[in-house]
Amino acid sequence: GAGVSQSPRYKVAKRGQDVALRCDPISGHVSLFWYQQALGQGPEFLTYFQNEAQLDKSGLPSDRFFAERPEGSVSTLKIQRTQQEDSAVYLCASSLGLTGSEKLFFGSGTQLSVL
Amino acid sequence: TQLLEQSPQFLSIQEGENLTVYCNSSSVFSSLQWYRQEPGEGPVLLVTVVTGGEVKKLKRLTFQFGDARKDSSLHITAAQPGDTGLYLCSITNAGKSTFGDGTTLTVKP
Repeated sequence: GAGVSQSPRYKVAKRGQDVALRCDPISGHVSLFWYQQALGQGPEFLTYFQNEAQLDKSGLPSDRFFAERPEGSVSTLKIQRTQQEDSAVYLCASSLGLTGSEKLFFGSGTQLSVL
Repeated sequence: TQLLEQSPQFLSIQEGENLTVYCNSSSVFSSLQWYRQEPGEGPVLLVTVVTGGEVKKLKRLTFQFGDARKDSSLHITAAQPGDTGLYLCSITNAGKSTFGDGTTLTVKP
């Protein structure tokens, strides 16, 4: 596709359930980022991949959060034993180059609601 | 304490009015980005400013980077309902972008 694609668009989970969020970056983009955006706030960095290598995971809130990009293209963000505070929009972004300072292209996000 | 402080948090104006929103910090940055985010969508990059004192124009939007590269402003002339959205400023360091909490702009017809 022409842009970054995220699925599902909406996810409702019961507290304690595991969820998996998918991101398809723009074809050929080397860098991929995950952000978490709470209501009324700006996006907050979670983790960053360059190809299949996870270079920075300092923003992951707890060990319940795990991200992977095994073939350097599609990425999955997994949240285990979801809690109500995990409710947020999860944004994926990709960029063409290696430095991470190029233009970011964002997907439309996955809105996660934990009941 | 937020690295980037944006003000005002909310702004509601009539079509045709002018407005300015601000992004401030106590730190010096090598560059700063402005994004617009519409409801249900991801942020879209509007501009990157790099040089202190730099002014960039994008149609009715004027972006300025402060001389000391600690702050930036976005001025919109003759606002239109299509300008409605969340305006975010951001800086990037070592591949990681940090965002302010944004200004939510509503332009009423």
